[in-house]
Amino acid sequence: EAQVTQNPRYLITVTGKKLTVTCSQNMNHEYMSWYRQDPGLGLRQIYYSMNVEVTDKGDVPEGYKVSRKEKRNFPLILESPSPNQTSLYFCASSLRGGEAFFGQGTRLTVV
Amino acid sequence: GESVGLHLPTLSVQEGDNSIINCAYSNSASDYFIWYKQESGKGPQFIIDIRSNMDKRQGQRVTVLLNKTVKHLSLQIAATQPGDSAVYFCAENKRTGANNLFFGTGTRLTVIP
Repeated sequence: EAQVTQNPRYLITVTGKKLTVTCSQNMNHEYMSWYRQDPGLGLRQIYYSMNVEVTDKGDVPEGYKVSRKEKRNFPLILESPSPNQTSLYFCASSLRGGEAFFGQGTRLTVV
Repeated sequence: GESVGLHLPTLSVQEGDNSIINCAYSNSASDYFIWYKQESGKGPQFIIDIRSNMDKRQGQRVTVLLNKTVKHLSLQIAATQPGDSAVYFCAENKRTGANNLFFGTGTRLTVIP
């Protein structure tokens, strides 16, 4: 089954404790991206990657890092999480110029 | 400001009626638009897309209309069903050939049985 898999689905952490949210896709898509979703703001792009070892900032990249060492994986790293990063996060993948397929989401709470 | 927005944040329709969800965009260079449906607790799910060289595209029970003159996008759902209740997002790509999607804030559609 074609899918985008994120882990964990839920995470509660404390301010400053580094964390990684993993994302994996099995569709051999070139393009992957991370979004955060906040009430009243819709989905906003954090980072994207057009291929292996190619990443770039989206609209709200501050406080986040990503890496793309393999085509299928695109982890999101929060080196020092803060409460304003409490949000619902989505990973997405697509072929170039095609529709994005989204994961099920990761609900992160930073206390 | 946002380049993609919605005229109505909520929409309630009777089961069996047609639904129309509207979206405005401001980037005239955008050439690809997508409608997504998001049910509670799930990720956005692709419904239908349209490229800027078209003004209408039909799927199963859904139609997307694109009016480039006024930078307006709409999603029409025929014979709305309870399972259509969800939040609907329009999105536009910001960079040609890439998928840097910019989303609107969403419209919550509620279908009344």
